[in-house]
Amino acid sequence: EDQVTQSPEALRLQEGESSSLNCSYTVSGLRGLFWYRQDPGKGPEFLFTLYSAGEEKEKERLKATLTKKESFLHITAPKPEDSATYLCAVQARNQAGTALIFGKGTTLSVSS
Amino acid sequence: DGGITQSPKYLFRKEGQNVTLSCEQNLNHDAMYWYRQDPGQGLRLIYYSQIVNDFQKGDIAEGYSVSREKKESFPLTVTSAQKNPTAFYLCASSPWTANYGYTFGSGTRLTVV
Repeated sequence: EDQVTQSPEALRLQEGESSSLNCSYTVSGLRGLFWYRQDPGKGPEFLFTLYSAGEEKEKERLKATLTKKESFLHITAPKPEDSATYLCAVQARNQAGTALIFGKGTTLSVSS
Repeated sequence: DGGITQSPKYLFRKEGQNVTLSCEQNLNHDAMYWYRQDPGQGLRLIYYSQIVNDFQKGDIAEGYSVSREKKESFPLTVTSAQKNPTAFYLCASSPWTANYGYTFGSGTRLTVV
């Protein structure tokens, strides 16, 4: 069964304290791995797509990396405005259509 | 500006009622999706549609129905058969390949009263 597991469930950081969020996946064949940011009461906002092991993408203080079994979202020198829930999702080769399988998310809180 | 519009933002349903959640997109995307989000559960797929007049069940389709009569619109009906409908409902769309991810609407929060 295709599955996505995110850890930790919640993470509290001080402003400027760098850390990483983990997304482990089990799929029969990975077509793509996606990272989203979701603010409370709003829809998720697209951040990155990764397709193959070794690929990396960056956006401001965020950097996403991909291996054959997991992805990391590295947050460098976070600011309070980075506080949100970060969602990881995968698209599997054996899955009909384009539907994504989502993890449960990591809720990040950054205090000043 | 292009995007996805969900309405209403808040919806209250009485026991035994059917309610319909609206989702409209002007991105010219082929595929549209409905997800349900519960605290601690993540996003779970209800239905999706890749072309007009065609749709497929997701993991939790029981108690829900959809239609796709127009490319721009993908309404979701929560029927009285759905025993625990209180949740945050998210609509999304993507191009055929979804390589650039989904674009999500702002969500509808449904509460049973």
